[in-house]
Amino acid sequence: QLQLQESGPGLVKPSETLSLTCTVSGASISSSSYYWGWIRQPPGKGPEWIGSIYYLGNTHYIPSLKSRLTISVDTSKNQFSLKLRSATAADTAVYYCATQRDYYGSGIFDYWGQGTLVTVSS
Amino acid sequence: QSVLTQPPSVSAAPGQKVTISCSGSNSNIEHNYVTWYQQLPGTAPKVLIYDNNKRPSGIPDRFSGSKSGTSATLGITGLQTGDEADYYCVTWDSSLSAVIFGGGTKVTVL
Repeated sequence: QLQLQESGPGLVKPSETLSLTCTVSGASISSSSYYWGWIRQPPGKGPEWIGSIYYLGNTHYIPSLKSRLTISVDTSKNQFSLKLRSATAADTAVYYCATQRDYYGSGIFDYWGQGTLVTVSS
Repeated sequence: QSVLTQPPSVSAAPGQKVTISCSGSNSNIEHNYVTWYQQLPGTAPKVLIYDNNKRPSGIPDRFSGSKSGTSATLGITGLQTGDEADYYCVTWDSSLSAVIFGGGTKVTVL
């Protein structure tokens, strides 16, 4: 059974970098079946897709975050990661990693991590 | 405010039917598949419907999806207390170059 687990600091200071890692188990991140995505959900609001990566390193980001966002993959560790620079309070959210079926434009996220709350505050 | 418009809430008695609309445009719903998610409190969203009207294995046929033009609809029949959740429509938007989520609809079982 494919499983994903987010990890990283739960508290980030404003202007610093928000960094999270997603560890994949039960499947190889080098699978051609999936893109690997990040979705966030601010408290009390709906989810927002922020970006995805293919195991070969192809990335696609939501335009509004493109200047601050980097998603990378480490196939040797079966992990992919997110770095969001210059964090602000508006980046406070539950961050989920998920499998994205077929391609970066697919709205089908089959498997999700449990989510991790990241608060941006001094 | 989301590009995909959903009613904030719908409600009905147990056993009844509800429908949730998702209104978009020709840059999103009209030319792309729609996925519907159910999010129970404190949990990650779960796929209910994909490719407009297909159900993953394990999803009961009480849940159905349809699409016409720039709108999509999720139907839930035989409403149960366990269906109380937030529901989101999702699709690709070619103008925004992004996967977009609707604003969400809270289903309440009276």
